[in-house]
Amino acid sequence: AQTVTQSQPEMSVQEAETVTLSCTYDTSESNYYLFWYKQPPSRQMILVIRQEAYKQQNATENRFSVNFQKAAKSFSLKISDSQLGDTAMYFCAFMKQGGSEKLVFGKGTKLTVNP
Amino acid sequence: DAEITQSPRHKITETGRQVTLACHQTWNHNNMFWYRQDLGHGLRLIHYSYGVQDTNKGEVSDGYSVSRSNTEDLPLTLESAASSQTSVYFCASSVEGGKQYFGPGTRLTVT
Repeated sequence: AQTVTQSQPEMSVQEAETVTLSCTYDTSESNYYLFWYKQPPSRQMILVIRQEAYKQQNATENRFSVNFQKAAKSFSLKISDSQLGDTAMYFCAFMKQGGSEKLVFGKGTKLTVNP
Repeated sequence: DAEITQSPRHKITETGRQVTLACHQTWNHNNMFWYRQDLGHGLRLIHYSYGVQDTNKGEVSDGYSVSRSNTEDLPLTLESAASSQTSVYFCASSVEGGKQYFGPGTRLTVT
């Protein structure tokens, strides 16, 4: 079974600075997807970024980028130029490719952006 | 615009009662999922479905059931509500290998 570990329960960053959230996972699969979801206080789950394991290039979406290290089974999220609206819970998630379409989530990291 | 909705958004019920949480999506997605979110646990999968008449158990399915009679709806039933089922429940839908679209969540309190 796959597991996803987020070792930082809480983090804080000053507005406009850069922060990196950590995620490691355990799997014997070769083909899979990795995701970062954001959950602001509104509770809505929002997809931030998606990475396909067969792609060596790290995914980016505006101020959000990942550092995907397949051999190390690491998938960290970097947020550049942090904004107050980035305050949220962030969840790392794993999905086996060509399989059950089920997401396995980490326990989350609570990020606070301070003015 | 396509969307996924959940109702009710908040529910208080008593121990032992049957409760049904509704989930409706207009994306026309085949895949639908129910998760529960608890502090310190992230989101855990309760049940999921790949299409009409298909249902499967997830990681924490005890005490819950689902049925899929059409593409749009996947209601979640708590047969006999227990205090341990106090949680926030999320429904999601997706296409193969793609993004899961989440509903706004239902906060359920069992007293």
